[in-house]
Amino acid sequence: SQTIHQWPATLVQPVGSPLSLECTVEGTSNPNLYWYRQAAGRGLQLLFYSVGIGQISSEVPQNLSASRPQDRQFILSSKKLLLSDSGFYLCAGTGVTEAFFGQGTRLTVV
Amino acid sequence: SQQGEEDPQALSIQEGENATMNCSYKTSINNLQWYRQNSGRGLVHLILIRSNEREKHSGRLRVTLDTSKKSSSLLITASRAADTASYFCATDWSNTGKLIFGQGTTLQVKP
Repeated sequence: SQTIHQWPATLVQPVGSPLSLECTVEGTSNPNLYWYRQAAGRGLQLLFYSVGIGQISSEVPQNLSASRPQDRQFILSSKKLLLSDSGFYLCAGTGVTEAFFGQGTRLTVV
Repeated sequence: SQQGEEDPQALSIQEGENATMNCSYKTSINNLQWYRQNSGRGLVHLILIRSNEREKHSGRLRVTLDTSKKSSSLLITASRAADTASYFCATDWSNTGKLIFGQGTTLQVKP
């Protein structure tokens, strides 16, 4: 079965510090991969998606970037975090007909 | 713009009642899926309905699809407190590669 491993579950970072969130995929090859941010009680805002190694599409201009160095690895980064970067970040992948999600990272920028 | 938009935004019912939530979308689709999210967790796939299907059942879940109206509904029958969660719809990503969700419907089932 398809699985997304995403870590850490929670993260507290000071303003101006760098960020690196990683997710890895098991059980499928060449998936589309996605990073979302979710504010409390709200929907999922698509940040980045990737249809293959090195291919990144950005949906929202912001303080974040994404990379896909390997087929099953997707990384969300920032050089300098802002307070507004706080939120719940979800990594997802798509199989043939359904999407599967990691358990999310709750990021608090202080 | 969102491809899938759910309504209502919030729904509160008593245990045993049925819950109905709706999803509208904008472009032609191959399939539509419904997902569930427990608070603070990732989404879990519930059910998929293809564009040539009008209705599909899975346990207490019933999904309908009206491609002429570009809408779908999710019915949860005989709700339980454990059904309390947010529910999202999404359409297939085959054309654009994007996987976009609406704002979701937050369902509260009171025991």
